[in-house]
Amino acid sequence: NAGVTQTPKFRVLKTGQSMTLLCAQDMNHEYMYWYRQDPGMGLRLIHYSVGEGTTAKGEVPDGYNVSRLKKQNFLLGLESAAPSQTSVYFCAVLADSSYNEQFFGPGTRLTVL
Amino acid sequence: GEDVEQSLFLSVREGDSSVINCTYTDSSSTYLYWYKQEPGAGLQLLTYIFSNMDMKQDQRLTVLLNKKDKHLSLRIADTQTGDSAIYFCAVKYAGYSTLTFGKGTMLLVSP
Repeated sequence: NAGVTQTPKFRVLKTGQSMTLLCAQDMNHEYMYWYRQDPGMGLRLIHYSVGEGTTAKGEVPDGYNVSRLKKQNFLLGLESAAPSQTSVYFCAVLADSSYNEQFFGPGTRLTVL
Repeated sequence: GEDVEQSLFLSVREGDSSVINCTYTDSSSTYLYWYKQEPGAGLQLLTYIFSNMDMKQDQRLTVLLNKKDKHLSLRIADTQTGDSAIYFCAVKYAGYSTLTFGKGTMLLVSP
């Protein structure tokens, strides 16, 4: 999907552990997004970034932090994981098309026990 | 906030037409999208329509937009088993750099 990769693909955490999810793009797009997908809830926006060094809160930001130190990378951090954060996490990049297409990464499946 | 609603499930037989519906609440939409998610994969853009259009056709896909009723639909002609997936409606509102997604419609196509 237009060069959007996510690391890791799968992870199991214990409650209270921390971790960082990495989203990387091999293009030069400004806008990047982190979503979570839960059954029956669709996609919900966690945080997003409109450029290097900038971040903004989405619909469900609590319990997560993000950083965009390099334009190509957007990191999502969980400082103290909770079972409610068990989800599939998707990163997306806004392409420079006239119709504002978002390209999605393959997802990270996270389980918090 | 803005809301995007979809029915959660649709089952059709192979060769039939499928129609997936979506409603939204804010009239300041600019672009409206249909994304497809196959099992275990991310979302891929299927098609989109600009808010000043009523209809868009792309091979087996027809998108209809009724701005007065804030209703968007996706029709898939001659539905195939490979069309089985979750379909998400998404709306971009004016002044926002984010999309609002519906909860997704699971389409199951039986032989």
